[in-house]
Amino acid sequence: GAVVSQHPSRVICKSGTSVKIECRSLDFQATTMFWYRQFPKKSLMLMATSNEGSKATYEQGVEKDKFLINHASLTLSTLTVTSAHPEDSSFYICSALGTGVFNNQPQHFGDGTRLSIL
Amino acid sequence: SQKIEQNSEALNIQEGKTATLTCNYTNYSPAYLQWYRQDPGRGPVFLLLIRENEKEKRKERLKVTFDTTLKQSLFHITASQPADSATYLCALGGMDSSYKLIFGSGTRLLVRP
Repeated sequence: GAVVSQHPSRVICKSGTSVKIECRSLDFQATTMFWYRQFPKKSLMLMATSNEGSKATYEQGVEKDKFLINHASLTLSTLTVTSAHPEDSSFYICSALGTGVFNNQPQHFGDGTRLSIL
Repeated sequence: SQKIEQNSEALNIQEGKTATLTCNYTNYSPAYLQWYRQDPGRGPVFLLLIRENEKEKRKERLKVTFDTTLKQSLFHITASQPADSATYLCALGGMDSSYKLIFGSGTRLLVRP
């Protein structure tokens, strides 16, 4: 149980393109989802917290107009990287918490999206 | 400043030995700490959770300790196997009312056959 699917797994596109990444909870409902960015051999850096039906909460230094997050249902959150540039190339990972959340429960992660901007 | 430190160098051990990974933190007061495993090109997978009022937790070959005085957690894998080779991440949580986790950069474990 607690499977999170992330799509696409890899994207290569030209500079200036907008890229949408989907994060789905397949067998549970996720009130809260998180979006992370990870550089090689580095920690997962939290970008934003996405709550179903409300605006995402962005971490300090993350441009909300650059990284658009939509959490329209209890099973789907999307991250759109708008007008992507080479410096946006990275590994993006989502995670989800089930409904009836309680503190200290684990996060369930997708398998990430490798974004390469040429 | 706030820091979470895990050994950046890979830990290389012989199969059958016990692997011990360290997670130290500074200027955080976590209510709990979680350990995850991450394989190359994959998302992290949850392994164990330990709360601030717990000294030790076990699950099969895994053991985690949590010393809030030393601000340190140790993660042990006994009778290690080549399949245990991966990067292990510690994560601090419960520092505010959100469900956010703050991750260390991970330690890569290599278990030689």
